[in-house]
Amino acid sequence: DTEVTQTPKHLVMGMTNKKSLKCEQHMGHRAMYWYKQKAKKPPELMFVYSYEKLSINESVPSRFSPECPNSSLLNLHLHALQPEDSALYLCASSQVRRQLNTEAFFGQGTRLTVV
Amino acid sequence: GENVEQHPSTLSVQEGDSAVIKCTYSDSASNYFPWYKQELGKRPQLIIDIRSNVGEKKDQRIAVTLNKTAKHFSLHITETQPEDSAVYFCAASILGGDDKIIFGKGTRLHILP
Repeated sequence: DTEVTQTPKHLVMGMTNKKSLKCEQHMGHRAMYWYKQKAKKPPELMFVYSYEKLSINESVPSRFSPECPNSSLLNLHLHALQPEDSALYLCASSQVRRQLNTEAFFGQGTRLTVV
Repeated sequence: GENVEQHPSTLSVQEGDSAVIKCTYSDSASNYFPWYKQELGKRPQLIIDIRSNVGEKKDQRIAVTLNKTAKHFSLHITETQPEDSAVYFCAASILGGDDKIIFGKGTRLHILP
């Protein structure tokens, strides 16, 4: 199983809503990532979790709150978002430090629209 | 931090011809360079990668070259086919490091019939 599964596929939320994006993998990967991708732009790193601990936060606003409840799951909690936060949110996973197995696998993404 | 530049931003080639996409990176500690293909509405998928201890790697119609001294790496696609049309991203990373994968801005490749 080389799949990273993200839910939901699409999400429309108001600026006062609270919602969560979910990501799951069963490849035994202990590094998990959140990326944000705007249209016609590259994926932009937001957060990295290594061994279920937050190792990188790329100065992301606090209205985005990541959580890694166990080694297979990664959540992104959303609160008080702005319309400019509308984007495709991609989850990825890999081996930590990727010494032996280098590939990072991406999920299909959640297309988020903030209205 | 690492900065990856990618050129061109758009590339149109006749079916059957070759396509070349070039990237440069800034951090000499980067030692792993994957290339991702992203079709419209789909996830980025790894198509080929290269480590810094190798100068060239080939997989069927796709090859990647790396010049560590100049901090350049390139993707070469030969005998292009319509299904090669997509956005291609180069990236740089440090294996054994902080697990960041930093992407170039992408190249939209159009294969013309």
